[in-house]
Amino acid sequence: GAGVSQSPRYKVAKRGQDVALRCDPISGHVSLFWYQQALGQGPEFLTYFQNEAQLDKSGLPSDRFFAERPEGSVSTLKIQRTQQEDSAVYLCASSLVGRSGNTIYFGEGSWLTVV
Amino acid sequence: TQLLEQSPQFLSIQEGENLTVYCNSSSVFSSLQWYRQEPGEGPVLLVTVVTGGEVKKLKRLTFQFGDARKDSSLHITAAQPGDTGLYLCAGVRVLTGGGNKLTFGTGTQLKVEL
Repeated sequence: GAGVSQSPRYKVAKRGQDVALRCDPISGHVSLFWYQQALGQGPEFLTYFQNEAQLDKSGLPSDRFFAERPEGSVSTLKIQRTQQEDSAVYLCASSLVGRSGNTIYFGEGSWLTVV
Repeated sequence: TQLLEQSPQFLSIQEGENLTVYCNSSSVFSSLQWYRQEPGEGPVLLVTVVTGGEVKKLKRLTFQFGDARKDSSLHITAAQPGDTGLYLCAGVRVLTGGGNKLTFGTGTQLKVEL
């Protein structure tokens, strides 16, 4: 498809387990973002890449969260030693170039439940 | 921490009614956007407002940006069941490297019933 693709769509993890969430942005999109969304709330910014460079990771809640985009296209958000408060929808988004006014397109999200 | 407060948080109305959703910010952003999100999907951009006092219309939706560029409203005329969803305002800041960082509001869950 032509949109932002995320996998897995649903993930149930036992507390303490590591998880990896994948994002395939729209082809050619330079900017890539990760957001965390609790049920019924607005998404909260986690981190931002321009190509392979992680330019802003101020929203990552702890050092258990790690994101990478080694070749400037696909990105992975990794959460180590998951805890119940990590349960949320993780949204990936991309935009064409890093310039104000460019539309940001969101994926459908990866729903993480930690039990 | 949500810097943008939306009201109301929940709204359940009948088809054909009008409604207004408010978004109030403690900060000034370079622009403000409104998104609509349906269950199981990501937010979809509806509109971007940039200039204080700006008004934009999208069919039955009217968006207004306050003069001080810190508050905004979304007015829906003659709501339809297809308008049901989570409405989010988002303040836009330009990041290092030029990307846009979105700070989302608390959200307004709208349900339009027949």
